[in-house]
Amino acid sequence: QKEVEQNSGPLSVPEGAIASLNCTYSDRGSQSFFWYRQYSGKSPELIMFIYSNGDKEDGRFTAQLNKASQYVSLLIRDSQPSDSATYLCAVNLLLTFGTGTSLTVIP
Amino acid sequence: NAGVTQTPKFRILKIGQSMTLQCTQDMNHNYMYWYRQDPGMGLKLIYYSVGAGITDKGEVPNGYNVSRSTTEDFPLRLELAAPSQTSVYFCASSNAGTVDTGELFFGEGSRLTVL
Repeated sequence: QKEVEQNSGPLSVPEGAIASLNCTYSDRGSQSFFWYRQYSGKSPELIMFIYSNGDKEDGRFTAQLNKASQYVSLLIRDSQPSDSATYLCAVNLLLTFGTGTSLTVIP
Repeated sequence: NAGVTQTPKFRILKIGQSMTLQCTQDMNHNYMYWYRQDPGMGLKLIYYSVGAGITDKGEVPNGYNVSRSTTEDFPLRLELAAPSQTSVYFCASSNAGTVDTGELFFGEGSRLTVL
């Protein structure tokens, strides 16, 4: 069973802080990794994807991948209340999803 | 350009009833997917299709059937509804140009309750 594990939270950070979301995966052969954001009652939307070890930055978001340790993380800098959502980690092209981490940014 | 359209948005079924969740996309995407999301959980893949006439099982296909007679439509059929199928169902699509980026275009979801 290929699994993707996330801490379900909830994770609360003050506005302006860095939010750190983590994800581990069991299939060592996994090649592609994705972060989706899902607002309550809405459908998921892609934030970032990463294929290579290291960091990938897009605005306030940074995805980090460590294939040797089998984890991928998402950092959100200068967190805003509008970032409050559930963040889903997904692995591989058919998207095996984790259970998601609920993030609340407190004004 | 409506994107991915799912109907109905809400439905209550009795145990043993059957129904079809409709999904249509107008982006000419080859790939289409059905996911279910239980409360507080991630999405689980039910079925997917890489083109008209081609379908394949995902992680949780039992109790469901699909067909893909056209590029645009990918209906999901529940034959004998069970309480375990109470969930939110998402249809999604992607094309060859975006499948590597993991960018799926999701419908708004269909909330199904089986009593």
